[in-house]
Amino acid sequence: GAGVSQSPRYKVAKRGQDVALRCDPISGHVSLFWYQQALGQGPEFLTYFQNEAQLDKSGLPSDRFFAERPEGSVSTLKIQRTQQEDSAVYLCASSFPGTTRATGELFFGEGSRLTVL
Amino acid sequence: AQSVTQPDIHITVSEGASLELRCNYSYGATPYLFWYVQSPGQGLQLLLKYFSGDTLVQGIKGFEAEFKRSQSSFNLRKPSVHWSDAAEYFCAVGAGGGADGLTFGKGTHLIIQP
Repeated sequence: GAGVSQSPRYKVAKRGQDVALRCDPISGHVSLFWYQQALGQGPEFLTYFQNEAQLDKSGLPSDRFFAERPEGSVSTLKIQRTQQEDSAVYLCASSFPGTTRATGELFFGEGSRLTVL
Repeated sequence: AQSVTQPDIHITVSEGASLELRCNYSYGATPYLFWYVQSPGQGLQLLLKYFSGDTLVQGIKGFEAEFKRSQSSFNLRKPSVHWSDAAEYFCAVGAGGGADGLTFGKGTHLIIQP
């Protein structure tokens, strides 16, 4: 498709389970971002890839969170041993430029809503 | 570190009335500023952006925003709102986390009264 695709759209997990969220960015986009959006809040940065390189993971809240983009296209955000506070919408965004300043639009997917019971 | 403040959590406007959503930012250098809109269950869509030049920028859906450096503001305006404008609006400043990332405000929820 033409846009950023995320799956699953909805995920319910029991506390302690591992989850994996997938992001398929727009073809050819160099930069890929993961954001976490808690209920009633704005998106908060988690991590950033330029091609397959994870250049910034300063926003990952704990070592239970792990992201990868092994071939520079599809990315997976993995959350191990989920906790209730992990409940949120996880947004993926991509953009074409790989420069050091935001120079254009971030294209967002519709998000994956994670509910941890 | 950069930050964005959207002081209004909710705003209610009558259909056909004018709209202004406030945004204040904190950033050490020349900011890159954005407004995004998020409808329920949807991803964020870019309304407009400011990088440099003319401080009044035009966006999609009839929205505009004015960059005022002296006030560190980037308020979003629309002269006449439509019921379909009801959504969550986010102001953002770049570069946030990561080389090309954005730092978002907490959002303003716009309610349109008939």
